[in-house]
Amino acid sequence: KAGVTQTPRYLIKTRGQQVTLSCSPISGHRSVSWYQQTPGQGLQFLFEYFSETQRNKGNFPGRFSGRQFSNSRSEMNVSTLELGDSALYLCASSLDGDYGYTFGSGTRLTVV
Amino acid sequence: KQEVTQIPAALSVPEGENLVLNCSFTDSAIYNLQWFRQDPGKGLTSLLLIQSSQREQTSGRLNASLDKSSGRSTLYIAASQPGDSATYLCAVETSGSRLTFGEGTQLTVNP
Repeated sequence: KAGVTQTPRYLIKTRGQQVTLSCSPISGHRSVSWYQQTPGQGLQFLFEYFSETQRNKGNFPGRFSGRQFSNSRSEMNVSTLELGDSALYLCASSLDGDYGYTFGSGTRLTVV
Repeated sequence: KQEVTQIPAALSVPEGENLVLNCSFTDSAIYNLQWFRQDPGKGLTSLLLIQSSQREQTSGRLNASLDKSSGRSTLYIAASQPGDSATYLCAVETSGSRLTFGEGTQLTVNP
């Protein structure tokens, strides 16, 4: 079966711009969560969506937002990009409950 | 606030050795613990999931144990191979469907 698909794989943006990342979960998975990975902070939780509702949010500024569509696909948006937003952004999908998480290959965002 | 610590931070071993990676967490009220591997610049590959009611899980040469009361988990890799070289991450799931990750153990297996 198809895994978690994230697009695009790589992005280069300029400070002040905005960016939208996409994540398609495993078929049947209704929970999608997003993580940011940086060398200094490691992996940090951004937010989680289930059936189009944000259920949980990490400690990130309001410039980071997301949404989930009726087909469970999710998008993450970052507005007014800063250099510190350069990171690998990972999406994970889950059936919910005690089934663990499956991660995508990530989107590498570079802000210049 | 849940905190996850992994020891050692880095490990270099000759091929064929058995090795143990350690993970500790501060809050024992977890739902699951999951071990992942990450190759450079890539996403996370799930290795083993241990649900809170379980004590261990095995997959091939990998065995992971969980002791909730002491806040510890170990990942045992038998007969290591160069292809096992990667960063190994431990993550605990707490309430709110969020994973808290350790900093990882960077493993190098030398031929």
